[in-house]
Amino acid sequence: DGGITQSPKYLFRKEGQNVTLSCEQNLNHDAMYWYRQDPGQGLRLIYYSQIVNDFQKGDIAEGYSVSREKKESFPLTVTSAQKNPTAFYLCASVRTDNQPQHFGDGTRLSIL
Amino acid sequence: AQSVTQLGSHVSVSEGALVLLRCNYSSSVPPYLFWYVQYPNQGLQLLLKYTTGATLVKGINGFEAEFKKSETSFHLTKPSAHMSDAAEYFCAVSAMDTGRRALTFGSGTRLQVQP
Repeated sequence: DGGITQSPKYLFRKEGQNVTLSCEQNLNHDAMYWYRQDPGQGLRLIYYSQIVNDFQKGDIAEGYSVSREKKESFPLTVTSAQKNPTAFYLCASVRTDNQPQHFGDGTRLSIL
Repeated sequence: AQSVTQLGSHVSVSEGALVLLRCNYSSSVPPYLFWYVQYPNQGLQLLLKYTTGATLVKGINGFEAEFKKSETSFHLTKPSAHMSDAAEYFCAVSAMDTGRRALTFGSGTRLQVQP
């Protein structure tokens, strides 16, 4: 079955450490997105990519970085510059403009 | 710029009662509108969408929503709540804004269903 796979499901970060969250899709979608979810705040857009080798900052990109070397993959790195990284991170993809985004099951990041 | 307001962060209904979750949006261009449901520690699952055409949209699990342009609303309803409907619901708007089409989410409404 086609879908979006996020890994790991749970991740712990030490002080000063960079961590990378994986997002892989086999839906042949062109656009991919990373959202951050905090309690009571809905989802906020971190980064998005509409084609391979191109990506754009979203509303809360500071302290995060991404790459898009393959159509199927859109990893997110949470850098040590992100001072409050504890959150639930969701990856999504979509084929065309008028279609709904498909979501992965998320990665919960916590601080050790 | 676009925005979404969901009225009521928590809604509680009895099993079998009507479910009404409110969503109002603002957008300077014609929007696409979505409702998603999220169960604990899971991703978002699409309930229904409005892009163009019929303003009353039917989705999965007996949910429906009506796009009312004059009221800038897209409220979600279900005639009879079931215990399995307990979850968090997000309304989202998508509009081509500054060259990008990205979803803007409301802050969510947690639905409780009482036996």
